[in-house]
Amino acid sequence: EIVLTQSPGTLSLSPGERATLSCRASQSVSSNYLAWYQQKPGQAPRLLIYGASSRATGIPDRFSGSGSGTDFTLTISRLEPEDFAVYYCQQYDSSPPWTFGQGTKVEIK
Amino acid sequence: EVQLVETGGGLIQPGGSLRLSCAVSGFSVTSNFMTWVRQAPGKGLEWVSVIYSGGTTYYADSVKGRFTISRDKSKNTLFLQMNSLRVEDTAVYYCARALTILGVVGMDVWGQGTTVTVSS
Repeated sequence: EIVLTQSPGTLSLSPGERATLSCRASQSVSSNYLAWYQQKPGQAPRLLIYGASSRATGIPDRFSGSGSGTDFTLTISRLEPEDFAVYYCQQYDSSPPWTFGQGTKVEIK
Repeated sequence: EVQLVETGGGLIQPGGSLRLSCAVSGFSVTSNFMTWVRQAPGKGLEWVSVIYSGGTTYYADSVKGRFTISRDKSKNTLFLQMNSLRVEDTAVYYCARALTILGVVGMDVWGQGTTVTVSS
């Protein structure tokens, strides 16, 4: 089973700042099979990025994904008030289980 | 409109059974890969199960042998039969559609979730 470790656990930033979130895998993940989600309190997760770097439908271009192998990054170029939330990475490499990282909370500083 | 609506959650005693339903609209439940994901109170997301369009199923080790995923084409509905429930199964359960591009690459449509509480 591939273990995903996200860092930091919490990121305290101000609106307009840049956010950089990390997701590290315990073994190599094909770039096609790494996704990022955003979840706000009381809501279902929303797909932001798939294939490590492709934005899902309707996702603003301030969200970008990068990385390969075992190290992946989600960047939010300029935080908007609605971007303060919890972010999860998930891998789909090989057969299930399709594990999630433990999440990074982006909070208002 | 593409939509998923989960029902069937509730309060159940340890050892009991519950069946969750996920009504699908806007696409075919049998033509897509469909998944269940859960979230314990205050915790992160945990992938639970998937059923492929061809019918192959997979489960997380934590639920293997106790949970069964299935679907009904005529009702366009996904199910999760949960038996031998444990306190640690307490969570919000989400159904979601898997986006497939030469393989599964993400879950692009989610329901609103249904809450299962296992407690005596």
